[in-house]
Amino acid sequence: ETGVTQSPTHLIKTRGQQVTLRCSSQSGHNTVSWYQQALGQGPQFIFQYYREEENGRGNFPPRFSGLQFPNYSSELNVNALELDDSALYLCASSRRETYEQYFGPGTRLTVT
Amino acid sequence: SQQGEEDPQALSIQEGENATMNCSYKTSINNLQWYRQNSGRGLVHLILIRSNEREKHSGRLRVTLDTSKKSSSLLITASRAADTASYFCATASPLGNDMRFGAGTRLTVKP
Repeated sequence: ETGVTQSPTHLIKTRGQQVTLRCSSQSGHNTVSWYQQALGQGPQFIFQYYREEENGRGNFPPRFSGLQFPNYSSELNVNALELDDSALYLCASSRRETYEQYFGPGTRLTVT
Repeated sequence: SQQGEEDPQALSIQEGENATMNCSYKTSINNLQWYRQNSGRGLVHLILIRSNEREKHSGRLRVTLDTSKKSSSLLITASRAADTASYFCATASPLGNDMRFGAGTRLTVKP
């Protein structure tokens, strides 16, 4: 088990709603990344935060946004939910100098 | 978008046999990592190989990297039923600010 936690474990939302997912990083880690994993696929990089600023972004629309807090915990916000947003959302923390990522167990989001 | 592609997509072997998975990628990298995922849960980091390294070992794992061919392989020796999982390669960009995963290889080890 890594020291990365995510909440909630499961979530069901309706199309058009907004959702906030939370992640608590492993102690000593200054970087957090978020991924979307559709069933049977590999994780897709959404964005990375380092020292509370977005440090890199994948091919996701602006309705996917995030925050990183001084204690290195993080949030992923998704507005105007679409059915295709149904997926496992994973956060991973790391130290920028070492690159190895430690993943949380994920949040399973279902959009109906 | 996916960066790497694993091959094969699925692999089924007997306990005790070796398992080899391959990964190809498209762009320049800082490093390449392999992860394991059990049943749609969080990923577990297995091993990291830097772009200036050619081979690395960790326990029963052996990873090779050929940057000229933009490919890597993961060898699991003396496999066990507990190795049953999906295995993903992931590449870090030269700036290290994103990680691109392949679609994974589903490994089944039969007792």
